[in-house]
Amino acid sequence: KAGVTQTPRYLIKTRGQQVTLSCSPISGHRSVSWYQQTPGQGLQFLFEYFSETQRNKGNFPGRFSGRQFSNSRSEMNVSTLELGDSALYLCASSLFVFPKFFGPGTRLTVL
Amino acid sequence: AQKVTQAQTEISVVEKEDVTLDCVYETRDTTYYLFWYKQPPSGELVFLIRRNSFDEQNEISGRYSWNFQKSTSSFNFTITASQVVDSAVYFCAHEETSGSRLTFGEGTQLTVNP
Repeated sequence: KAGVTQTPRYLIKTRGQQVTLSCSPISGHRSVSWYQQTPGQGLQFLFEYFSETQRNKGNFPGRFSGRQFSNSRSEMNVSTLELGDSALYLCASSLFVFPKFFGPGTRLTVL
Repeated sequence: AQKVTQAQTEISVVEKEDVTLDCVYETRDTTYYLFWYKQPPSGELVFLIRRNSFDEQNEISGRYSWNFQKSTSSFNFTITASQVVDSAVYFCAHEETSGSRLTFGEGTQLTVNP
């Protein structure tokens, strides 16, 4: 059974640009959640989707958005990138409410 | 607001030693869940355990055991007879039952030396 896949694995952008990250959950999982991990702030919840609906949202500015498609794949978008957005972005999928299976993450570097 | 504190930033042990990772949480919820995850160098978080706040029984899974004490708001994790492969960052987390968001602690870097 394939695990959670995230693409791309690494990304380098410059300030002001926008970026889209993709997450494919485990087959059959309808819940996808996103977390940002930085050395300074640690792991922080971004948002969670279930059957294409955002069920919960963390305390991030509106530059951070996401969506989920009918096949449960999810994307998150960050517009007008700032240096502080450099982070490891982790996606998790689950049959349940809590994030059980995480992907390897996308390492975003903003220059 | 929920808060999870892992006071031990780094722990270094020699293989076969037992090691306990501490986790203290703050919450106003009467019902909640507590978690432990492992993050090896590869980066992905590996789920270890989820515990309901009503269930204070200790749990053992192989070399891993967890001690949940509601009276002291602690959910500690012990690895018995540690191995080099246990080297990783370990995170404790809290989830309110009304939602799906986890609040993570700062993590404890465990290094097991041969």
